Amino acid sequence: DADVTQTPRNRITKTGKRIMLECSQTKGHDRMYWYRQDPGLGLRLIYYSFDVKDINKGEISDGYSVSRQAQAKFSLSLESAIPNQTALYFCATSLNNYGYTFGSGTRLTVV
Amino acid sequence: GNSVTQMEGPVTLSEEAFLTINCTYTATGYPSLFWYVQYPGEGLQLLLKATKADDKGSNKGFEATYRKETTSFHLEKGSVQVSDSAVYFCALTAQNTGNQFYFGTGTSLTVIP
Repeated sequence: DADVTQTPRNRITKTGKRIMLECSQTKGHDRMYWYRQDPGLGLRLIYYSFDVKDINKGEISDGYSVSRQAQAKFSLSLESAIPNQTALYFCATSLNNYGYTFGSGTRLTVV
Repeated sequence: GNSVTQMEGPVTLSEEAFLTINCTYTATGYPSLFWYVQYPGEGLQLLLKATKADDKGSNKGFEATYRKETTSFHLEKGSVQVSDSAVYFCALTAQNTGNQFYFGTGTSLTVIP
């Protein structure tokens, strides 16, 4: 099993719909992150969490929300999806500043 | 602030050619520097890292040296293979970033036989 698992792997949704992307990890890491990847823009941080009671906004948090249900689970929600949220979304975990472990990504298309 | 700038792609090389992907950074603290690789359809994987000036990170034939004087961390490989075709990301984190990573925009490498 993968250390960081993201579900779903692919999703197509309609404008205005609420959608949740889920991330779970078996690394035992305290820190979890959500990034989106767009061509030519690299990865941009949406939200991050250092423990269950800690939630922080990243560079591009507008239109997104998160929930840290447990140390191992960190979900990203789009309350009302719009087409410019079409992107590849990655969850990552870390124990310290020596590197992330990434999930395989969720490809989201908003039509 | 903190930022990473890496060379524009895409880069296309013949097998066994020498590879350089340039990366420079701006950081207000003392950053750790990383190269990540993303193979098609996959997430990012840590390729190598360096945590202080003059350190050299290396893995799978790739190398990068942390140059504080030029604020650079260029990725090199002496002889690329078709299997090296991927997107490469330079990244930094520093004590004042709260463990947040800053990524470059990525450089796509295609190696042709």
